[in-house]
Amino acid sequence: GQSLEQPSEVTAVEGAIVQINCTYQTSGFYGLSWYQQHDGGAPTFLSYNGLDGLEETGRFSSFLSRSDSYGYLLLQELQMKDSASYFCAVRAFYNQGGKLIFGQGTELSVKP
Amino acid sequence: DAGITQSPRYKITETGRQVTLMCHQTWSHSYMFWYRQDLGHGLRLIYYSAAADITDKGEVPDGYVVSRSKTENFPLTLESATRSQTSVYFCASSDTGTGRGAYEQYFGPGTRLTVT
Repeated sequence: GQSLEQPSEVTAVEGAIVQINCTYQTSGFYGLSWYQQHDGGAPTFLSYNGLDGLEETGRFSSFLSRSDSYGYLLLQELQMKDSASYFCAVRAFYNQGGKLIFGQGTELSVKP
Repeated sequence: DAGITQSPRYKITETGRQVTLMCHQTWSHSYMFWYRQDLGHGLRLIYYSAAADITDKGEVPDGYVVSRSKTENFPLTLESATRSQTSVYFCASSDTGTGRGAYEQYFGPGTRLTVT
């Protein structure tokens, strides 16, 4: 089967750093993406890792270790607006376009 | 309007009724997807389409039908709605499936469907 595991909830304070982990078990693996979803809104793309290592985009960074089937999203200098759900998603299928398998999401609460 | 749109945004229907949710994108993206989102289940793929007239089942296709006669439209039909199909439905699209299109999907605003 195909599965992605991520914590259901994370709480942090404004200005802090938080890491959201994602482990995956999939039949194929071609990359790990992260999406953000605010309450009542649509998911939006945050970052992508196709190779091992760290990708940085402003306050957000994402890491991948293919040998460990593990990745994480790192959010720095947390702001109240970062309160949202964060989904990891695996591109598990070659030549099937953007077909992704999503994790169940981590709800991040940022406290003042 | 440019982008990806869904209609209706909210729908209440009765058990046994047929319901069609519409999805329209203006980017001419090859790939389109339908997901349902329920509390505690994240996003589950219902159906996807690689191009006009090419569709395939996702993780939870039972009770749903799709068609794609034009690249820009991808309607989802619930043939006989059941209470278990009460959910938020998201349509998404992505480019050709190479490069950025292989991992970045653009989501519509969603349709909140309630089946009574």
